[in-house]
Amino acid sequence: KAGVTQTPRYLIKTRGQQVTLSCSPISGHRSVSWYQQTPGQGLQFLFEYFSETQRNKGNFPGRFSGRQFSNSRSEMNVSTLELGDSALYLCASSLQGDAGTSTDTQYFGPGTRLTVL
Amino acid sequence: AQTVTQSQPEMSVQEAETVTLSCTYDTSESDYYLFWYKQPPSRQMILVIRQEAYKQQNATENRFSVNFQKAAKSFSLKISDSQLGDAAMYFCACINTGGFKTIFGAGTRLFVKA
Repeated sequence: KAGVTQTPRYLIKTRGQQVTLSCSPISGHRSVSWYQQTPGQGLQFLFEYFSETQRNKGNFPGRFSGRQFSNSRSEMNVSTLELGDSALYLCASSLQGDAGTSTDTQYFGPGTRLTVL
Repeated sequence: AQTVTQSQPEMSVQEAETVTLSCTYDTSESDYYLFWYKQPPSRQMILVIRQEAYKQQNATENRFSVNFQKAAKSFSLKISDSQLGDAAMYFCACINTGGFKTIFGAGTRLFVKA
């Protein structure tokens, strides 16, 4: 089975621009979570989607948004980029059954390295 | 609020020796899961081991085992017979059942000396 894929792998943007990152989960996985990883803040939870519904979100400004499609693929968008948004953005998927109990193991993608100049 | 604390920013171990990475957590929920993830320099995060809070028995995966102390809210990872390939960043994580939000610790960078 193919793993979690994230595109693009690297991205360079300038302040004020917006960016869209994509995540394709493992086939059959219905939950997708997004994390921001920086040297100073570590891994911070952005949001989690299950069956196209956002079930939880972290403490990030409204400039960070996401969505999930019917095939479980997910995108996250960051508008009006700031220098502090430079980070590795990780996506993780998990299987979960109909109960969507959220305790299944998460499988991570390689990440998208975003640099804001 | 849910928190995960890893008090050791860096650890070092000699090849073939044993090392223990510490993790403490805090959650108000009674039903939760704990994980250790490994992130090698290539950056792909992978699961090392998981523990269900309702299980008293400590989880074991080959050379990796945990010491789960529920009352103390402690969840340490023991790596036996350390190998060069174990060198990585290790993250402790906690998720409440039904919370849909995984909280990670700051990580411990493990160095393995040949």
